[in-house]
Amino acid sequence: GESVGLHLPTLSVQEGDNSIINCAYSNSASDYFIWYKQESGKGPQFIIDIRSNMDKRQGQRVTVLLNKTVKHLSLQIAATQPGDSAVYFCAERGGSQGNLIFGKGTKLSVKP
Amino acid sequence: EPEVTQTPSHQVTQMGQEVILRCVPISNHLYFYWYRQILGQKVEFLVSFYNNEISEKSEIFDDQFSVERPDGSNFTLKIRSTKLEDSAMYFCASIGRGRNTGELFFGEGSRLTVL
Repeated sequence: GESVGLHLPTLSVQEGDNSIINCAYSNSASDYFIWYKQESGKGPQFIIDIRSNMDKRQGQRVTVLLNKTVKHLSLQIAATQPGDSAVYFCAERGGSQGNLIFGKGTKLSVKP
Repeated sequence: EPEVTQTPSHQVTQMGQEVILRCVPISNHLYFYWYRQILGQKVEFLVSFYNNEISEKSEIFDDQFSVERPDGSNFTLKIRSTKLEDSAMYFCASIGRGRNTGELFFGEGSRLTVL
């Protein structure tokens, strides 16, 4: 079965609103999670990460929340901008360094 | 900002042909990876490479695939006899020593179309 997945394939928000993208994972032993952004025609770009000993981590306009009890990960984007339009993937550490297991992705569309 | 560069950006090939995809990782990085993404699907790990050898590979990375770093700068992925299902975007990635696993730097990808 799939280790990491997402609740919704698409999300449409109004410019300036906050966005919340969700992810569920199944491996309770996972210790490290990452959010990537993929713009059309480009490779994934690191946004933010979180280790399993934390439940929240903030970056610039982004916050990742980790709920280990229900094995749920979310990415919150504050004041969403048109440039945030992309597909967002959650990922977890697979095996060795750099082996990541990606979820299917949520496409975020920002309406002006 | 340093970046991972990949060539070609798009390659069309006939089934059964050999394909080589090339990558120039960021110069001071030590760990190199290939991932693939079938159109509209998730990104999948293929192989990791460190100290001139494969350190880990996935089930996808079968005997038809190989990687090498022939000249200390290029990092190549070879598919010996392509199949239709090899059609995908192939991403090279690299990371430096001491960086967090998630902070992989991905290239923009090479789209492979097998006819």
